[in-house]
Amino acid sequence: ETVMTQSPGTLSVSPGERATLSCRASQSVNNNLAWYQQKPGQAPRLLISGASTRATGVPARFSGSGSGTEFTLTISNLQSEDFAVYYCQHYTNWPPGCTFGQGTKLEIK
Amino acid sequence: EVQLVESGGGLVKPGGSLRLSCAASGFSFNMYAFNWVRQAPGKGLEWVSSINSNSNYTYYADSVKGRFTISRDNAKKSLYLQMNSLRAEDTAVYYCARGLLMMYTLPFDPWGQGVLVTVSS
Repeated sequence: ETVMTQSPGTLSVSPGERATLSCRASQSVNNNLAWYQQKPGQAPRLLISGASTRATGVPARFSGSGSGTEFTLTISNLQSEDFAVYYCQHYTNWPPGCTFGQGTKLEIK
Repeated sequence: EVQLVESGGGLVKPGGSLRLSCAASGFSFNMYAFNWVRQAPGKGLEWVSSINSNSNYTYYADSVKGRFTISRDNAKKSLYLQMNSLRAEDTAVYYCARGLLMMYTLPFDPWGQGVLVTVSS
C-alpha cells in the first residue's frame, strides 16, 4: 500500500499571502493525485485531480504540481474562506482504491 | 443541480447492523461509479467501498471486507451500504461520493453531506 505523507501538519499563513502544502508518496503514483479541501462540519470538496487539473468552479489561485512521489498544492492570495484542512489522495481506478494523507490544517496567522 | 443526500445513520450497539442510503439527483446516475468514504471523529478520511455503474464490480477496504456490502439501484438513483457486525471503530461520518468522470471510480466529486454512525453500547 502506498503511504501518503503530508507536511506540515499545521500551516499558519496571513490572508493575502501564499500557502504551499506538500504531499509525499512512499512510491511513485505517477500523476494519480488529488487534493481536497474540508471545512469544519462540511464534506470534502475536490480541488485538484491528476496532480494539476483544477476541478470545476475551483478558483485559479489554487494550483497543483508535481509527479512521481512529490506533490505540492499552492494557494495564492489567501482568502478567508481558504482556511481549512487539505487532504491529498493517491487513487487508482483498476482496481479502484485510494489512500489519503493525514491532512494539513491551514490556519490564519 | 448535482446532489447526493445520505440517510440511515444513527446509534447502534456493537454487533448490530445498519443500512445507509444515498439518494442522487441532477445527473445520469446509471453512468457513474460510486463510493463510500468515512471519517472517524476528529480523524482523517478513509475509503470504504466502491461499486461500478452496473454493479458488476464491488471493492472494499480490508477493514470492512466481509462485514459491509455496497449496492445500488439505478432505477431509484440510490446507493446503499449494508453494515453488519458493527464495531466501535466503525463510528464515523459516512459520505457517499461519485466518481468524477463516467467510467472512473476515483477521484471523488461530488460528495454528500455525510451521515453519522455511532457504534456504542
